[in-house]
Amino acid sequence: EPEVTQTPSHQVTQMGQEVILRCVPISNHLYFYWYRQILGQKVEFLVSFYNNEISEKSEIFDDQFSVERPDGSNFTLKIRSTKLEDSAMYFCASRAGSTDTQYFGPGTRLTVL
Amino acid sequence: GEDVEQSLFLSVREGDSSVINCTYTDSSSTYLYWYKQEPGAGLQLLTYIFSNMDMKQDQRLTVLLNKKDKHLSLRIADTQTGDSAIYFCAEPNSGGYQKVTFGTGTKLQVIP
Repeated sequence: EPEVTQTPSHQVTQMGQEVILRCVPISNHLYFYWYRQILGQKVEFLVSFYNNEISEKSEIFDDQFSVERPDGSNFTLKIRSTKLEDSAMYFCASRAGSTDTQYFGPGTRLTVL
Repeated sequence: GEDVEQSLFLSVREGDSSVINCTYTDSSSTYLYWYKQEPGAGLQLLTYIFSNMDMKQDQRLTVLLNKKDKHLSLRIADTQTGDSAIYFCAEPNSGGYQKVTFGTGTKLQVIP
């Protein structure tokens, strides 16, 4: 069964460093998402991406964040200058069409020291 | 905006039924999801129900939807220790790009 994959599974970085989290959505999917889950808290929406542009973003998704689909398979989330409070599990998700369910990847645990 | 609420914790004995409840606010959602998250793991889509259905059964899982009260429940029959996890109720928003709003999650503890 096709699945969303994410790399790395765990990323440790120093405060102020840039990180790129990578996702490979399911191949025929058109809608892409990033969510995050701070330890012990709710899963929160960050951004949605469709037709090579951001379609919606939350208040969390400030200028330090960016997303890109550099080729036909990868979908990345970049954090330019990480802060301690960026430590969280980051989930990528994808969806085939406008009435389909979202499928989530296994997540990348980001730890900012 | 959308809001999804769940009780935080449920403890049941192995073999008993578990019922996890959820209330939501967006009555125009096309469907509602249940996700399962095992410790340290990602989000697994467990089941979903279309908003025009009242009930969906899938093996040991039964989902009940009360649209009038905006109440969703997940019943797990014959609960096993492997069912211990956090269960998230979630709804896609009714806008075109359908971001998903998650509940707080209910931690299910199964006692052997």
